[in-house]
Amino acid sequence: EVQLVESGGGLVQPGRSMKLSCAASGFTFNNYDMAWVCQAPKKGLEWVATISYDGSSTYYRDSVKGRFTISRDNAKSTLYLQMDSLRSEDTATYYCARHYYDGPFGAWGQGASVTVSS
Amino acid sequence: DIQMTQSPASLSASLGETVTIECRASEDIYNGLAWYQQKPGKSPQLLIYNANSLHTGVPSRFSGSGSGTQYSLKINSLQSEDVASYFCQQYYNYNTFGAGTKLELK
Repeated sequence: EVQLVESGGGLVQPGRSMKLSCAASGFTFNNYDMAWVCQAPKKGLEWVATISYDGSSTYYRDSVKGRFTISRDNAKSTLYLQMDSLRSEDTATYYCARHYYDGPFGAWGQGASVTVSS
Repeated sequence: DIQMTQSPASLSASLGETVTIECRASEDIYNGLAWYQQKPGKSPQLLIYNANSLHTGVPSRFSGSGSGTQYSLKINSLQSEDVASYFCQQYYNYNTFGAGTKLELK
């Protein structure tokens, strides 16, 4: 069974940093591109970033470029999202997701809640 | 950036009814379109990809259609477990989601 389990969320002050992790199991992690998708409270979904299966390529939405860094450790089957210079508008549930054939998101974690507030 | 306009924002329907949700892309996305179902407090689940391909395990009452800039999700014979929010996503050029449709029972 495919499992994606996020950790590392919580309350953080504006301007500070936070790192999310996503532990993957039930599939060959290094065969898949992975992504982070966020959802602000009672709002829609927003793609945040994608990393290729081998970590050689990364892609970001404009609003997080230069502030967020997606990375992966294939030996540990773990995906990361380093979030720096956090803003109140980054408050959301962050989902770890597995790309399906380079396109849609075929598997999702349960989400990690991030609240940016003083 | 490709924008996705989803309609309606909310929908009320009766059990057994057929419902249709639509998404319009700001440019041609060449069938790079997926549909997701999200139940309250849960993570989204993939229903349809490539505009009309049913994801593994998804009931056949769900179907997708469309091309170019216009796409739709149809749910035949609405069941109580279909109460959820539905989102479209284009993945032709990066990733953009529609604003969502909240489906309730009448």
